[in-house]
Amino acid sequence: KQEVTQIPAALSVPEGENLVLNCSFTDSAIYNLQWFRQDPGKGLTSLLLIQSSQREQTSGRLNASLDKSSGRSTLYIAASQPGDSATYLCAPRGSGNTPLVFGKGTRLSVIA
Amino acid sequence: GAVVSQHPSWVICKSGTSVKIECRSLDFQATTMFWYRQFPKQSLMLMATSNEGSKATYEQGVEKDKFLINHASLTLSTLTVTSAHPEDSSFYICSATHRGDTQYFGPGTRLTVL
Repeated sequence: KQEVTQIPAALSVPEGENLVLNCSFTDSAIYNLQWFRQDPGKGLTSLLLIQSSQREQTSGRLNASLDKSSGRSTLYIAASQPGDSATYLCAPRGSGNTPLVFGKGTRLSVIA
Repeated sequence: GAVVSQHPSWVICKSGTSVKIECRSLDFQATTMFWYRQFPKQSLMLMATSNEGSKATYEQGVEKDKFLINHASLTLSTLTVTSAHPEDSSFYICSATHRGDTQYFGPGTRLTVL
């Protein structure tokens, strides 16, 4: 059964810093992996999706990498802003019509 | 991208009553819908997988007689929390996928049972 761990659980940084969020998963036989953002009391916003054959994906200030063989993914946020404050969730997906499995997330606070 | 809606967005009910939550795929046919539950400061936990026209598959520890799931059409799945109790208070999120493609998530439903 897939298990997902996200480190750190919480992170507080001053505005402008670059930061890295880590995600590890136990079953490397994944189809793809998604990073989501969740604001308090809200639903999920998909940030990046990396296919199993890809090494990284970029969207604006966000860059996600995937090392499938070692069961790791990182989300890099450049020049952080207070508006980036949220919980970031990592979710790998197995092959076929299987659901995403979520980590507990990293709660990010960017201080102005 | 594809849009998934949920209704209601929040609901407050008395203990012992039943609550129905709807999940709709607005611009695509969802062959499979998933229902997740999220307690405060916890991650999303899969409750059940619902395929159109067949019975839902429940995760271990989820009572199928308490959480009734109906996926009667390719655009609608419903989750009914029967005889709700305060411990059922949670954030319920559905997602939909078409033939194993990307999962699209609804905005969630906040359930509070008094």
